[in-house]
Amino acid sequence: KAGVTQTPRYLIKTRGQQVTLSCSPISGHRSVSWYQQTPGQGLQFLFEYFSETQRNKGNFPGRFSGRQFSNSRSEMNVSTLELGDSALYLCASSDRTGGNTEAFFGQGTRLTVV
Amino acid sequence: GENVEQHPSTLSVQEGDSAVIKCTYSDSASNYFPWYKQELGKGPQLIIDIRSNVGEKKDQRIAVTLNKTAKHFSLHITETQPEDSAVYFCAVDTGGFKTIFGAGTRLFVKA
Repeated sequence: KAGVTQTPRYLIKTRGQQVTLSCSPISGHRSVSWYQQTPGQGLQFLFEYFSETQRNKGNFPGRFSGRQFSNSRSEMNVSTLELGDSALYLCASSDRTGGNTEAFFGQGTRLTVV
Repeated sequence: GENVEQHPSTLSVQEGDSAVIKCTYSDSASNYFPWYKQELGKGPQLIIDIRSNVGEKKDQRIAVTLNKTAKHFSLHITETQPEDSAVYFCAVDTGGFKTIFGAGTRLFVKA
C-alpha cells in the first residue's frame, strides 16, 4: 500500500506570493490533517478534512486555507506569504470516521519564504 | 483550548540505559494519547499509543503509562540503542478531530 504522498518536497517563494501544497492520502483513508512544523514549536495543527468537509481548524490566520476533493486528496493554500511561514508542512491521513486512530504522515513539504 | 507540555526538550543517554519522556495535558476530555518518532528527513511515525481506559501499555522495549487524574503520560524506552536516536512527540486527542502535539524531545543515544 502506498504511503502518504506530499508534493512538492521543497519550495522557495517570495514574500507576498501564494503557494499551494498537495497531499495524497493512503488509499481508503478519508481523513486528512495538516500541520506546520517549525524548530522548537513542534507540530501545530492547521486543519482536518473528512469527506470534503473541514471538521476542525487550528489557530492560524485566514491566509491559511485548505480543501479536500472527492478522491480524498487535499490541498492547502497560503496566500500573501510572510517570512514566518517558512516551515515544514506535514500532511497526515487516517481511516477514522469518528474515533481516535493512528495518523500516517507524509515526508512533508519544506517551504522557504525569502 | 488543549495544551500539551513535553519534557525534556533534549535527552542524552548511554546505549543500554533507559530514557523517559513526560507529557502533561490540560483537557480532561482527552481520550487518546499517541507517541510519534520522527527521524531526520521523514514524517513522524506512530510507535505506541494508549487510550484513556488503560493505565499502561508495553511493546517490547517501549512502554507508555497514563495517569488521567494527574493528566500526564510518559514514554519509557529501555535498553536504548543508537537507532533510537530521533525526535519523539507526544500527542493528545479529545475526539474532536484535532490532535495536539507536544514540542518534541530530541533523544541522543551514545554508543
